[in-house]
Amino acid sequence: DAGVIQSPRHEVTEMGQEVTLRCKPISGHDYLFWYRQTMMRGLELLIYFNNNVPIDDSGMPEDRFSAKMPNASFSTLKIQPSEPRDSAVYFCASSLEGNYGYTFGSGTRLTVV
Amino acid sequence: AQTVTQSQPEMSVQEAETVTLSCTYDTSESDYYLFWYKQPPSRQMILVIRQEAYKQQNATENRFSVNFQKAAKSFSLKISDSQLGDAAMYFCAYRTLNAGGTSYGKLTFGQGTILTVHP
Repeated sequence: DAGVIQSPRHEVTEMGQEVTLRCKPISGHDYLFWYRQTMMRGLELLIYFNNNVPIDDSGMPEDRFSAKMPNASFSTLKIQPSEPRDSAVYFCASSLEGNYGYTFGSGTRLTVV
Repeated sequence: AQTVTQSQPEMSVQEAETVTLSCTYDTSESDYYLFWYKQPPSRQMILVIRQEAYKQQNATENRFSVNFQKAAKSFSLKISDSQLGDAAMYFCAYRTLNAGGTSYGKLTFGQGTILTVHP
């Protein structure tokens, strides 16, 4: 298996633009998570899905952020409009139910200028 | 809600020596999982070791072992025979087993400990 695949690896965009981050989880995993990592706040859970259904989106910072999982093999995290404070590394991870740890993607480094 | 605390922002160790990274957590649950993740400069998050709370035996993976003290809610990571490749940020994480709530399946991370390995 190729692991969790995220794209793009790096994204630089101007303030006010829409940004879409993409994730392909490991086949057969029924949980998908979106995390954000910054120096100040560490790793924050934004939202997670179980069997394509959003379970907890309480970590989504504001209405500018939205996430979808239209099928078991694809998820997106969208920021519209983007702001400089959204600059961070965004990780997608997937997992089986149970005692398994997550498998993380390699992350997307987002820079909003 | 569960919280995970790593009180050592930075640690250092000489190559071939042993180092222990600390982690404490707060929970009212009796069954859960604990993990250590490693994040090298490449930023990839790598699972190092995991422990089921119901198991009294401490988990071991090659040079990595844990000291799990359930009553004290402590979960430290010991790295033996440290290597230069062990230099990374290490995260402790907690995963609930309590099905039915919105926390189920979710990993809660500590703030991380940066480990430096000196040659």
